[in-house]
Amino acid sequence: DVKVTQSSRYLVKRTGEKVFLECVQDMDHENMFWYRQDPGLGLRLIYFSYDVKMKEKGDIPEGYSVSREKKERFSLILESASTNQTSMYLCASRVPGAPYEQYFGPGTRLTVT
Amino acid sequence: QQQVKQSPQSLIVQKGGISIINCAYENTAFDYFPWYQQFPGKGPALLIAIRPDVSEKKEGRFTISFNKSAKQFSLHIMDSQPGDSATYFCAAKIRNYGGSQGNLIFGKGTKLSVKP
Repeated sequence: DVKVTQSSRYLVKRTGEKVFLECVQDMDHENMFWYRQDPGLGLRLIYFSYDVKMKEKGDIPEGYSVSREKKERFSLILESASTNQTSMYLCASRVPGAPYEQYFGPGTRLTVT
Repeated sequence: QQQVKQSPQSLIVQKGGISIINCAYENTAFDYFPWYQQFPGKGPALLIAIRPDVSEKKEGRFTISFNKSAKQFSLHIMDSQPGDSATYFCAAKIRNYGGSQGNLIFGKGTKLSVKP
């Protein structure tokens, strides 16, 4: 079974803190994605990476950055957390040869106080 | 901006009934239309997908109907069961161009509750 794991299920941080959300996939997938999920807004793409060292902005990249030093690991960074970044964060990897299929992790519920 | 509009936002259906979720898109730069299912505490998972040259695809109790001229597609869940209670997202995959492999654009989701 493909596994996409995220480092924390729940996280509480203070405004202004630097926050790291880690994601690891074990299937050697090249493409990885970070989304945030908010009620009534669906899934919105923050950043994506088609290969190691490569990163591209999604639809809502402001206030975020990413790092991908190894193929299996894709990290989302909140440089200075703000209350409007309180959300559910979902990491996904794309199945090779199935361009519409992404495997998602269980999510990290981040609360910024 | 490319969008996929999904309705209704929430849906309550009796056990054994038919659940219908609708989506519409605004441009033709999409080449796949998948549906994802998300249970509480889990990430979304692919349920079923269709290409725009096909009008209908069925997998078990789940059917996608696709109307290319109207730019609409829908998910039908036949004989709905309490275990189908979840949030459903329609999506559209952007056609590959240049070096891009095309990302997914998601609808805002429909929370389905199937009452026993």
